[in-house]
Amino acid sequence: GDSVTQMEGPVTLSEEAFLTINCTYTATGYPSLFWYVQYPGEGLQLLLKATKADDKGSNKGFEATYRKETTSFHLEKGSVQVSDSAVYFCALIGYSSASKIIFGSGTRLSIRP
Amino acid sequence: GAVVSQHPSWVICKSGTSVKIECRSLDFQATTMFWYRQFPKQSLMLMATSNEGSKATYEQGVEKDKFLINHASLTLSTLTVTSAHPEDSSFYICSASYKLGNEQFFGPGTRLTVL
Repeated sequence: GDSVTQMEGPVTLSEEAFLTINCTYTATGYPSLFWYVQYPGEGLQLLLKATKADDKGSNKGFEATYRKETTSFHLEKGSVQVSDSAVYFCALIGYSSASKIIFGSGTRLSIRP
Repeated sequence: GAVVSQHPSWVICKSGTSVKIECRSLDFQATTMFWYRQFPKQSLMLMATSNEGSKATYEQGVEKDKFLINHASLTLSTLTVTSAHPEDSSFYICSASYKLGNEQFFGPGTRLTVL
């Protein structure tokens, strides 16, 4: 079945560092790919998405490109801030999953001032 | 737009009591709502999918008599945890979508603690 694998955390970086959180997926056809962010004690917020190959999703300085050849959707940000500290979930909705979101395990990100 | 609320945001109850959690789509009609459970430092686990006016579809391993889901209107779904026990303590998150296959919008979550 469909699945999402993302790098384990926690990830700790200094402010203004470059961020990469790896995400790869397994799915038939062309799934839609998402990154969600969860701040402490809150629900999930959609950070960005991409619905077809080579699409780049971007929001709040974060970017991720849908790479079908490597089945990846890595999250990047050029200069992180303390306020970016949160848990990040990579996710997909597959062609056959009837709109069910398949989440990765989540990566906890902590940014040091 | 596309705001989803949950009530209450947190609840503490005694073992054996039932707890109802509401999920509302505030500015759109949600034909489909989803209920998730999240354990500390873990990912979200889909519990069930509910469509307005029909019975919920539960994921494998989720007790439908334990977790009663009602989607009575296009803006409201409720999750009732019946005869709650400490192992039911968790963070419950709902989401809503305009229609099956569309983007889901998530509520802020409800933290349930059963003593």
